[in-house]
Amino acid sequence: GQSLEQPSEVTAVEGAIVQINCTYQTSGFYGLSWYQQHDGGAPTFLSYNALDGLEETGRFSSFLSRSDSYGYLLLQELQMKDSASYFCAVEGTTDSWGKLQFGAGTQVVVTP
Amino acid sequence: EAQVTQNPRYLITVTGKKLTVTCSQNMNHEYMSWYRQDPGLGLRQIYYSMNVEVTDKGDVPEGYKVSRKEKRNFPLILESPSPNQTSLYFCASSGSGGGTDTQYFGPGTRLTVL
Repeated sequence: GQSLEQPSEVTAVEGAIVQINCTYQTSGFYGLSWYQQHDGGAPTFLSYNALDGLEETGRFSSFLSRSDSYGYLLLQELQMKDSASYFCAVEGTTDSWGKLQFGAGTQVVVTP
Repeated sequence: EAQVTQNPRYLITVTGKKLTVTCSQNMNHEYMSWYRQDPGLGLRQIYYSMNVEVTDKGDVPEGYKVSRKEKRNFPLILESPSPNQTSLYFCASSGSGGGTDTQYFGPGTRLTVL
């Protein structure tokens, strides 16, 4: 099976950089995704890492290291609108393509 | 406008009364999925569908049924709802596998079972 662990909450000031770690226990998976969810809203897709390394999308970057069973989402130049919950998710192995498991989420609080 | 729609958005019902939550997408996506979200537990996958007539269990399928008779629709059926199914439900779709492609979520259905 798979289980993913994320910190429950991170607080930072506007303009700062925040790294949200996601550690997992799995025998193999296709890739690691990240989603953002504002209070009362639906999750929105942020990024996907199929291969080890860094993927950059504007102010957000995501990293995966399969050998370390670890990934992270990096939020740069934090803005107030970045206050939200962030979830990592892994997609299943060859016998469960399409099966996703999510972490419990990290609440990011941005202060002025 | 590309979107995933769910109905109803809010529902209060009683134990044992069968209900269906509809989900429809207008993006011609092959992949669709249902999730429930409970405080402190994140999103948990209930069922997913890779294409028409192809469905499979997620992590928490007990007490739920789904069908995929046509590409755009993926209803979630609770044949005998119980209070532990009180939750926020999201439907989602993507062009291919759930993680490898951008997954679009519906607005959510808040279900209360008394």
